[in-house]
Amino acid sequence: ELKVEQNPLFLSMQEGKNYTIYCNYSTTSDRLYWYRQDPGKSLESLFVLLSNGAVKQEGRLMASLDTKARLSTLHITAAVHDLSATYFCAVAYGGSQGNLIFGKGTKLSVKP
Amino acid sequence: DSGVTQTPKHLITATGQRVTLRCSPRSGDLSVYWYQQSLDQGLQFLIQYYNGEERAKGNILERFSAQQFPDLHSELNLSSLELGDSALYFCASSVGYTYSGNTIYFGEGSWLTVV
Repeated sequence: ELKVEQNPLFLSMQEGKNYTIYCNYSTTSDRLYWYRQDPGKSLESLFVLLSNGAVKQEGRLMASLDTKARLSTLHITAAVHDLSATYFCAVAYGGSQGNLIFGKGTKLSVKP
Repeated sequence: DSGVTQTPKHLITATGQRVTLRCSPRSGDLSVYWYQQSLDQGLQFLIQYYNGEERAKGNILERFSAQQFPDLHSELNLSSLELGDSALYFCASSVGYTYSGNTIYFGEGSWLTVV
């Protein structure tokens, strides 16, 4: 059974600081997704990583994938309050990309 | 706005009842997925349809069923509801179903409260 573990689960940061969220998964997959969720809202797609070594960046967020280590990271640079949200990684499992196995999420709080 | 439309947004119902959640995928998307989000279980994949056919099944209870219609909208039917079924139910859609890495877009969700 595929397990997806994120850490930390809670992260309180100061504005301007950098930090990394880690996503480990337990079986072979080369499709990894990052989503953002604001409280009570939908999941917003941030990145889709499709191969070993993939790196994508959007604004202050950068995601990478190491399929050999079964690890993805979401790096936050110079955090701002607007980045406060819960971030989920999800791994595509099996023959269908829809069978996404989600991590528990990392609740990020960026304080002034 | 992801383009995935879900109704109703909120629903309160009693134990033992049956409800239907509806989803319209993004224009052009053939795959529809249903996910359940609860505090204790997190986000769980329930079921996927592609162009009207069931393609993958996750942790979907026997009391739950779904279908995708010829116009590609989908319905998730939840019956004999229990308190533990209270959750946020998401519909998502994507262009294809193959292992191609298409972005999967989520709707706003349907909040179900069972009392």
